[in-house]
Amino acid sequence: AAGVIQSPRHLIKEKRETATLKCYPIPRHDTVYWYQQGPGQDPQFLISFYEKMQSDKGSIPDRFSAQQFSDYHSELNMSSLELGDSALYFCASSPRDRGPGYTFGSGTRLTVV
Amino acid sequence: LAKTTQPISMDSYEGQEVNITCSHNNIATNDYITWYQQFPSQGPRFIIQGYKTKVTNEVASLFIPADRKSSTLSLPRVSLSDTAVYYCLVGVSGKLIFGQGTELSVKP
Repeated sequence: AAGVIQSPRHLIKEKRETATLKCYPIPRHDTVYWYQQGPGQDPQFLISFYEKMQSDKGSIPDRFSAQQFSDYHSELNMSSLELGDSALYFCASSPRDRGPGYTFGSGTRLTVV
Repeated sequence: LAKTTQPISMDSYEGQEVNITCSHNNIATNDYITWYQQFPSQGPRFIIQGYKTKVTNEVASLFIPADRKSSTLSLPRVSLSDTAVYYCLVGVSGKLIFGQGTELSVKP
């Protein structure tokens, strides 16, 4: 079965650079969620989209922005990167009417040097 | 959103049954209870979800008492590959908040 696809799997950036992470949800899933997981930390909710509109917002820095496109894929844009942004970034998708049972992607490991 | 409390860590041996209990005292009427498993550097993986009483699938059982203020994930006959962090989440459609999970260590 198709899963949530995230790209790239690994990304190394320097401080103050920008990064774009992509997420391709499971077909017919219209809701996308982004999470950040720092080393030894639990996943922290960043932002979610439903039908291309932002549906909820968590602890997402102002330096980050995200959007969902007409094909339901989503991109997380991160600017002015800081060392503390180094983390695993997960995307999850779900169909809106299926309760909170998300499917997570394998994540993008961002390293800021 | 309902806050959850789980043990920080648990140890077990291969072949044993493991029960992990999660407290969610302020669970709302419409909230579901969902458990995820996470291996290092991998995305959380859905294990089981329930609303009340007992739910069983091919990998686990979920026991929810009548007051729904807690739930217990039961893993039958664990193996070394079940060593992971287990998260209990409570909520409905929308963002799910991860609390501190339970780090399960299965020993030979």
